[in-house]
Amino acid sequence: GENVEQHPSTLSVQEGDSAVIKCTYSDSASNYFPWYKQELGKRPQLIIDIRSNVGEKKDQRIAVTLNKTAKHFSLHITETQPEDSAVYFCAASVGTDKLIFGTGTRLQVFP
Amino acid sequence: GAVVSQHPSRVICKSGTSVKIECRSLDFQATTMFWYRQFPKQSLMLMATSNEGSKATYEQGVEKDKFLINHASLTLSTLTVTSAHPEDSSFYICSARVRGGAGNEQFFGPGTRLTVL
Repeated sequence: GENVEQHPSTLSVQEGDSAVIKCTYSDSASNYFPWYKQELGKRPQLIIDIRSNVGEKKDQRIAVTLNKTAKHFSLHITETQPEDSAVYFCAASVGTDKLIFGTGTRLQVFP
Repeated sequence: GAVVSQHPSRVICKSGTSVKIECRSLDFQATTMFWYRQFPKQSLMLMATSNEGSKATYEQGVEKDKFLINHASLTLSTLTVTSAHPEDSSFYICSARVRGGAGNEQFFGPGTRLTVL
């Protein structure tokens, strides 16, 4: 079955700097890759997603890149702000099948 | 749109009791709902996939007789933790996929925090 690895587990950056979180997946059939932001005790919130027919997608300060050959995808947050502090999860799925989540990255943005 | 609710949001129970958690899609129909469990500082672990009108599909290592799932309608799925024990204490989150939707997106409920004493 699918296995998703995520790095780093924790990431601390200064406000205004960029943050990059990387994930690798094992199932070459996976074709949907969402990223979620989860604040303590809250539900995961979709912040951006990408499908396998696209190599990059951007939404304001957030971007995701996908390398199908290497089976990895990354989340890029530019101009980080303290309110970006949260736990971020990547996930992968095949079509409309179940999502398999990465282990999470705790991002801290210091003012 | 695409709002998912869960009830209760928090429950504390004694060891040995059963607890039912409801997951509802409020403004859409969901043929498929998913149940996750999340321990502190850990990721979401899929427990089972719930399809309306059929038996749930459980992930490896999840006891189907302990975690009973019923998806009786296109807007409601329930998870019953039977004979709960302290090790079952966790954050339980459901998600739903829009019926007939072209996308893969899952919409998450707010979660239920279960504490078993």
